[in-house]
Amino acid sequence: RKEVEQDPGPFNVPEGATVAFNCTYSNSASQSFFWYRQDCRKEPKLLMSVYSSGNEDGRFTAQLNRASQYISLLIRDSKLSDSATYLCVVSHANFGNEKLTFGTGTRLTIIP
Amino acid sequence: DGGITQSPKYLFRKEGQNVTLSCEQNLNHDAMYWYRQDPGQGLRLIYYSQIVNDFQKGDIAEGYSVSREKKESFPLTVTSAQKNPTAFYLCASSIYNGGPEQYFGPGTRLTVT
Repeated sequence: RKEVEQDPGPFNVPEGATVAFNCTYSNSASQSFFWYRQDCRKEPKLLMSVYSSGNEDGRFTAQLNRASQYISLLIRDSKLSDSATYLCVVSHANFGNEKLTFGTGTRLTIIP
Repeated sequence: DGGITQSPKYLFRKEGQNVTLSCEQNLNHDAMYWYRQDPGQGLRLIYYSQIVNDFQKGDIAEGYSVSREKKESFPLTVTSAQKNPTAFYLCASSIYNGGPEQYFGPGTRLTVT
């Protein structure tokens, strides 16, 4: 089983719609959780951290469910500029260092 | 402007040649990392360094070497021993003992033929 699993998509969604992705992780000792966004042939960029209480940043909401070991990302009122691959990222301590494990990403295309 | 730079953006090499990829940051971050990304796979950690003159192997270090002589710089050498060197190479940095968030450079696409 992969440490971090995501549905690769692609998800094709009309502009203005709400879209949600889930991600599951296998290491119950994982400590920190993130969503990164990666545009085609570019570097990943931190979108948001995911907190146990859930957090919101504008149209983006992230949730963490430690009991079921999954993380979700909700995008409301989707824009054409939201088209990208979304990477789920999990960290855990590794001999005193925090190691990030990246999912393979979920590809989202917003259709006009 | 603070950030991470990688050069060159595209690099072409013949099989059997060593090649060094550059990574520089002016964010005053202590920790630096090298990843490779292949189609359909998540980022995989090659090497990382948390302090000058010290570095650790990641998950796929075979065929690679690094140095960390300066805080700002963490070059990666892809040696001829690396079996499948063609990939997108990404350098990242983070504040040591800060949050684990990592910030990435623009990457170098290496093609070996």
